[in-house]
Amino acid sequence: SQQGEEDPQALSIQEGENATMNCSYKTSINNLQWYRQNSGRGLVHLILIRSNEREKHSGRLRVTLDTSKKSSSLLITASRAADTASYFCATVDSGTYKYIFGTGTRLKVLA
Amino acid sequence: GAVVSQHPSWVICKSGTSVKIECRSLDFQATTMFWYRQFPKQSLMLMATSNEGSKATYEQGVEKDKFLINHASLTLSTLTVTSAHPEDSSFYICSAPTIYSYNEQFFGPGTRLTVL
Repeated sequence: SQQGEEDPQALSIQEGENATMNCSYKTSINNLQWYRQNSGRGLVHLILIRSNEREKHSGRLRVTLDTSKKSSSLLITASRAADTASYFCATVDSGTYKYIFGTGTRLKVLA
Repeated sequence: GAVVSQHPSWVICKSGTSVKIECRSLDFQATTMFWYRQFPKQSLMLMATSNEGSKATYEQGVEKDKFLINHASLTLSTLTVTSAHPEDSSFYICSAPTIYSYNEQFFGPGTRLTVL
């Protein structure tokens, strides 16, 4: 399977703490994207990092990309209860343009 | 930004019936659309690539006769689940890139299918 792996599978933290989730992928990529999905809902695009970038910030989100290790991390700082959701990384295969999603991290932020 | 819609947002049907799900790009043209399936507490798995004016290409293990895809126009792709069974119950999501970039795709809100 080409599916990427994410860890941890589940993460439970207190409000105000930081949450870090990691993604590893297998193919050559043009970019890597992170999405959030609330239970039973569609995907919300969070951030895109291109293959020639190493780090990117957006509000409380910080994403890193290490193409030599084929890995990425998503850091959510000062978490809020509203951040409770599943988070998926997705890579775009540079040959087929198909999206390949990671296995996801279920984040629970306790108020 | 570009918007992709899906209809219906949820559907309940009896075993053996067929269900059609529509995916529309509302403000842009999409020669290609992608269909994904997501089982509870799992990730999204690509099912097939829908190509306007030609046959869809299916991922390994996806039955093309069971999941019929028609991309009749530059803004509409349909997925028909034929002779649905309870194991087909899932969340189906489509996505579409704009003609300008296949690297960034826009996702529909998903369709929850429950087969009784």
